[in-house]
Amino acid sequence: DQQVKQNSPSLSVQEGRISILNCDYTNSMFDYFLWYKKYPAEGPTFLISISSIKDKNEDGRFTVFLNKSAKHLSLHIVPSQPGDSAVYFCAADGGSNYKLTFGKGTLLTVNP
Amino acid sequence: EAGVAQSPRYKIIEKRQSVAFWCNPISGHATLYWYQQILGQGPKLLIQFQNNGVVDDSQLPKDRFSAERLKGVDSTLKIQPAKLEDSAVYLCASSLFGGGSTDTQYFGPGTRLTVL
Repeated sequence: DQQVKQNSPSLSVQEGRISILNCDYTNSMFDYFLWYKKYPAEGPTFLISISSIKDKNEDGRFTVFLNKSAKHLSLHIVPSQPGDSAVYFCAADGGSNYKLTFGKGTLLTVNP
Repeated sequence: EAGVAQSPRYKIIEKRQSVAFWCNPISGHATLYWYQQILGQGPKLLIQFQNNGVVDDSQLPKDRFSAERLKGVDSTLKIQPAKLEDSAVYLCASSLFGGGSTDTQYFGPGTRLTVL
């Protein structure tokens, strides 16, 4: 039972263009969402988050959008850079345990 | 500031053998997490400590996995005996406070375990 779904295993974009990574969730108890970025042989690093009381959060080139009615969030990277090439994990938190539930990840490749 | 340290980075064992992983969290961080990441999957929480007490171990296979956090600092995760399906990357993370949505988790590089 996957509560956080990242349906695109991979995404390839050209440098300078927009990258859009998508994430869907099924558990209506989730109230906080995070994106982590992972390079090979390293642990995930926190990128950006959004609370369920907001529908948008922006940090530099990274913007996360949340659509609660659709149980969908997306990460926009503009402009994309080759150094953004990594696996991006969507994660959700909610309920009483503050336990993060991760999606399977999307491999982003930004081509020069 | 030093990050989360883990050792070893790689381990290969035969099934039914035992193995232990070590984690040193960021200094001063109260909460420590162990995750299992199977190839092609996202990290799955195995156990969460706050200081030296267990907060959540609901997804820890307790018949073969055990973990402890010594004096509320370092932690070890042990598997005994290992099965083929335990092949994964074991990630340790820590956070400053007692856990919670805005308490950012910082991850170590992980230990890649291969069970033959």
